[in-house]
Amino acid sequence: NAGVTQTPKFRVLKTGQSMTLLCAQDMNHEYMYWYRQDPGMGLRLIHYSVGEGTTAKGEVPDGYNVSRLKKQNFLLGLESAAPSQTSVYFCASSFVAGVPGELFFGEGSRLTVL
Amino acid sequence: GENVEQHPSTLSVQEGDSAVIKCTYSDSASNYFPWYKQELGKRPQLIIDIRSNVGEKKDQRIAVTLNKTAKHFSLHITETQPEDSAVYFCAAGNFNKFYFGSGTKLNVKP
Repeated sequence: NAGVTQTPKFRVLKTGQSMTLLCAQDMNHEYMYWYRQDPGMGLRLIHYSVGEGTTAKGEVPDGYNVSRLKKQNFLLGLESAAPSQTSVYFCASSFVAGVPGELFFGEGSRLTVL
Repeated sequence: GENVEQHPSTLSVQEGDSAVIKCTYSDSASNYFPWYKQELGKRPQLIIDIRSNVGEKKDQRIAVTLNKTAKHFSLHITETQPEDSAVYFCAAGNFNKFYFGSGTKLNVKP
């Protein structure tokens, strides 16, 4: 099993450009998450999904959109990138059957917005 | 929403000493408290977790305690080793959302 895979792993954008980060998991997990990690601020939840076709806002959703058309994929989109979105983005998934459980993280995607 | 505070932000100990990291949370509905370890350039990985119906849990050199009344929980690492050097994150939440602390950088000096 590959676990949780993120693409791309690195990307440099100019202000105003758009891009999509793809997260794929092969563990048949119901829940998927997008976090951003900035120095000294830990991991902050951007958006999450509790199942195929569902999405919900986390702590810092502004400037991002997500879609979960297939159970195994969770896409994070930036419509008009800003320097404040320079960060490392982590996707995670978990299998929840009525109780919370371990988050399985991808390797991260480092995004720089110039 | 939930607010998780974590202290200290950096911790330096001598190999063999113990390390303690503390977290507080604000939402009394939170019922799951995991701890993640992140080595430099790597993804966070779960090292131990505790649920709200348990006060303490131990796994070899690692233990976690939870005080629901005071809304705080702690990670204890005994007999620290150089490979314990990493950033540790606490988190609090319920079945579908987790909020993380800001992290503690632990440095174990040989």
